[in-house]
Amino acid sequence: GQQLNQSPQSMFIQEGEDVSMNCTSSSIFNTWLWYKQEPGEGPVLLIALYKAGELTSNGRLTAQFGITRKDSFLNISASIPSDVGIYFCAGQNDYKLSFGAGTTVTVRA
Amino acid sequence: DSGVTQTPKHLITATGQRVTLRCSPRSGDLSVYWYQQSLDQGLQFLIQYYNGEERAKGNILERFSAQQFPDLHSELNLSSLELGDSALYFCASSGSGAAGTDTQYFGPGTRLTVL
Repeated sequence: GQQLNQSPQSMFIQEGEDVSMNCTSSSIFNTWLWYKQEPGEGPVLLIALYKAGELTSNGRLTAQFGITRKDSFLNISASIPSDVGIYFCAGQNDYKLSFGAGTTVTVRA
Repeated sequence: DSGVTQTPKHLITATGQRVTLRCSPRSGDLSVYWYQQSLDQGLQFLIQYYNGEERAKGNILERFSAQQFPDLHSELNLSSLELGDSALYFCASSGSGAAGTDTQYFGPGTRLTVL
């Protein structure tokens, strides 16, 4: 399948800090999505991006669809303990989602 | 709660056996997708059904098969199970299955352990 490179693989952050993660691909995607997964649960959609250059916010989360359509980033501002989890980027073409390997976020109180 | 339900939550079985995982999509959604999540492969798309018909195939083994029934629920059948099939299996659903813009909502998953 299509390879998405997501970085960083993991991060420890201080409560109140801003954090950024990104995803790159050698392939073009028509849609970029960001999901969060907590232990024992399925991925939950955070943000969906449908247009190159689009910048979208959802509360403290902001994501952008890269101009080249080969990358996307996610920012979390003012981290809180419940931000703990694994964040996945996903690129979508046609009906298929290709996922990055995930960024594990741990918040230090 | 995404509105997608999956049963069972956990399944433990032996090599060589066959199991069936069940998924009920969100109310009104016509498309169902199956994914496998393992530590070494990450989240991998397996197969998609739209309104009862297979629409797209991903990295699905020949030992695996799926179907979507008239009431739109779906089943994933895994046969001749191997140790390497141990994984989380997720079902997702979306409204129309329209290419590129249809958002997928994931169920809580079934954890399969093959001993």
